[in-house]
Amino acid sequence: DAGVTQSPTHLIKTRGQQVTLRCSPKSGHDTVSWYQQALGQGPQFIFQYYEEEERQRGNFPDRFSGHQFPNYSSELNVNALLLGDSALYLCASSLVLQPVNTEAFFGQGTRLTVV
Amino acid sequence: GNSVTQMEGPVTLSEEAFLTINCTYTATGYPSLFWYVQYPGEGLQLLLKATKADDKGSNKGFEATYRKETTSFHLEKGSVQVSDSAVYFCALSDAYSGGYQKVTFGTGTKLQVIP
Repeated sequence: DAGVTQSPTHLIKTRGQQVTLRCSPKSGHDTVSWYQQALGQGPQFIFQYYEEEERQRGNFPDRFSGHQFPNYSSELNVNALLLGDSALYLCASSLVLQPVNTEAFFGQGTRLTVV
Repeated sequence: GNSVTQMEGPVTLSEEAFLTINCTYTATGYPSLFWYVQYPGEGLQLLLKATKADDKGSNKGFEATYRKETTSFHLEKGSVQVSDSAVYFCALSDAYSGGYQKVTFGTGTKLQVIP
């Protein structure tokens, strides 16, 4: 059973560019959440997708957007990249309406470096 | 809103020493509590969890007890090994409108175990 897979693993972009990160959830999961983990910090919630709609959003600007596809996979897009967007981006999958005692499963992350 | 506070690191211990990493939380509902571990260059792995007051989560010699009266979930291990060197994140999961889960993380505690 494949877990959560993310691509690419590493990425280098220039300020002002746009980037797209991809995530495939664990088999059987229907909800995808994205987190940003800056160096030395804990993951910060960006947003969550279910049924191809954004369901909740953290404190991130509109430059961060996402999409969920019918097969439950998801993309995170960041426009007009800033140096401060350099971070590890983590994708987590879960099942909606599961009890909250069921953990989310995380991918290995995409390391984004903005230069 | 929800928040998680954990002791700052880094924590440096000799092999076979006793480990405690403190974690306290603030939540409006009845969250589930988790400890995740992150090895260098990797994503997050669930270490243990507890879903209600007085529950004890345990895995690989690590333990943590859900203390509602003190809003704490301290991580302990009786005898650490070099292979336990990693960053440990305390986290809580709570449901919001619609039944969707959201995970809130602490800032992480880096543990280094020396032979």
